[in-house]
Parts: sequence; C-alpha cells; structure tokens
Amino acid sequence: DGGITQSPKYLFRKEGQNVTLSCEQNLNHDAMYWYRQDPGQGLRLIYYSQIVNDFQKGDIAEGYSVSREKKESFPLTVTSAQKNPTAFYLCASSMELAALEQYFGPGTRLTVT
Amino acid sequence: DQQVKQNSPSLSVQEGRISILNCDYTNSMFDYFLWYKKYPAEGPTFLISISSIKDKNEDGRFTVFLNKSAKHLSLHIVPSQPGDSAVYFCAASAITGNQFYFGTGTSLTVIP
Repeated sequence: DGGITQSPKYLFRKEGQNVTLSCEQNLNHDAMYWYRQDPGQGLRLIYYSQIVNDFQKGDIAEGYSVSREKKESFPLTVTSAQKNPTAFYLCASSMELAALEQYFGPGTRLTVT
Repeated sequence: DQQVKQNSPSLSVQEGRISILNCDYTNSMFDYFLWYKKYPAEGPTFLISISSIKDKNEDGRFTVFLNKSAKHLSLHIVPSQPGDSAVYFCAASAITGNQFYFGTGTSLTVIP
C-alpha cells in the first residue's frame, strides 16, 4: 500500500528540548512538505523539498529544521527556538513541486509543556 | 495575513440535501484551486480542483464553482450523505508559486 506515514501520532516534550517528527513516503514522489495546523488557522507551510538534498523555507520556518537525505524521508526537527511548538503537524508529498495534488500523512500532534 | 478564507467554521445539512461550502481568496494571482476533505485522525485527501480558465468542475456528487471577479469559490455536494461528514479545506496556488495556501476549514455534518 502506497502512502505517507508519520510517527508518532502523539508526542509530548518538555520545553527547551528539540524533537524530531518522522515522515516517510513510498509513493516515489520527488517533492515533500511540512505544514503546521493551529486552531482557527489554515495549514501553514514550514518547509518544502523539491528533491533530495534540497529544501526551502516556507512561510513559518523559524525554529524548525529539516533534512532530505533520502527521497523517502523528510524529518522535521522542532527546536527549542520555536516559540509556540504545540500544534498539529502534517507532512505531504507530491510527484513534483509543481504538481497540483499533494498527498498527506495522518499527522503528528505535538504538545510541549 | 490569511490569503484564503473559509468564514463558516461549521455547517449542518440533512441527508439528501445540498451542502454548499464557501471559500474566498484575496490574491488575484491565484489560478488553481483545490478542495481537500479530512476525517478525524487522518490527513487531508484531495477531492476536486478547478483552474482559473474554468468556472465549474464536476466530479460525481461534487461540483466546484469559481467566480474570479468575486474571488470566491464554492463546493456543492448533492445529495449529501452521512459519509460526507468531515472537515473541508480549500486551497489556492499561483502557477508561478511553489506552494498552496489553505483555508481554515469548514466542518460539515450530514444528519441522517
């Protein structure tokens, strides 16, 4: 079954700790994305990657970092510099950057206390 | 600043009736629009799209209408079914851009 997996579904961390969210896809897609969703707001783009070893900042990249060492994997690290890290994080992929349809994972809810 | 807005956070409709979900955008450069559907504990899934060269696109029970002059699009679901109960997001993109901008979502409940 092709798709996107995100783990874990729920994640709890103490303030001041970095945390890495996993995203894996087996759709053979070149482009991958990380979004953040907060109550009352739409999905906001954190980072995107067009191809392996390349990634670009989205609208709200501050306090986050990513890597794209493999086509299948696009992990997101929420650093201690992110002022409001508690949110729902969604990973997505598409065949290419200009592709009009993105496929989403089930999301990870991160709670930082 | 929210470039794509869905002003109705929720909508309830009787089974068999029409559901109309609305979306407004501010950026006149947007020329491609999509609707996504999201069930709880799942990621959004693509539903239907429309480009700015059209004003209507149909796919089964789902029709999207685009009014470029009003910067408004709507999703019609006819007839509505209980399985349609979900959160619906609209999204917009400019052909020159690298990203989609999403609305805040409308939670649709179809009452049996």
